[in-house]
Amino acid sequence: KAGVTQTPRYLIKTRGQQVTLSCSPISGHRSVSWYQQTPGQGLQFLFEYFSETQRNKGNFPGRFSGRQFSNSRSEMNVSTLELGDSALYLCASSRQGRGARDGTEAFFGQGTRLTVV
Amino acid sequence: AQTVTQSQPEMSVQEAETVTLSCTYDTSESDYYLFWYKQPPSRQMILVIRQEAYKQQNATENRFSVNFQKAAKSFSLKISDSQLGDAAMYFCAYSGGGADGLTFGKGTHLIIQP
Repeated sequence: KAGVTQTPRYLIKTRGQQVTLSCSPISGHRSVSWYQQTPGQGLQFLFEYFSETQRNKGNFPGRFSGRQFSNSRSEMNVSTLELGDSALYLCASSRQGRGARDGTEAFFGQGTRLTVV
Repeated sequence: AQTVTQSQPEMSVQEAETVTLSCTYDTSESDYYLFWYKQPPSRQMILVIRQEAYKQQNATENRFSVNFQKAAKSFSLKISDSQLGDAAMYFCAYSGGGADGLTFGKGTHLIIQP
């Protein structure tokens, strides 16, 4: 059974540009969550999608957005990139619709390392 | 808001010995879940063990066990017979009512000395 796949693995962008990251969940999983990992702030929840609907959103500016497609694949977009957006972006998929709230195991991808210069 | 605190940025243990990683959390909820995740250099987060707050019995997975003290809001991870492959960052995480997504601690870097 294939795991969670994130593409691309590495990305270098210039300040002011926008970027789109992709996440393919485990087959049969309908919930996809995104996390930002930085040395200073650690792991922070960005948002969660279930059946193409955003269910929860973390405390991030509107420059961070996402969407989910009918096949459960998800994308997140960051517009007007800032140096502080440099981070590892992790995607996690889970089977249940409530995502983390019901204790369902979240399976993580290997992340996309975004560097903003 | 829920918070998770890991007070040990780094721990070192000899191979085959036992090590305990500490985690405390703060929540006003009574129903929640706690997790320990491992993040090796490959960066992929792997679930080590899961505890449901309403269960008094401590969770165990092979060499990994937890000491869950609900009243003290403490959730430590014990790794027995440490192996070189256990070297990684370990994150304590909370999920449940009042929280969106998983709330992670800052992590503990575990070093295994051969």
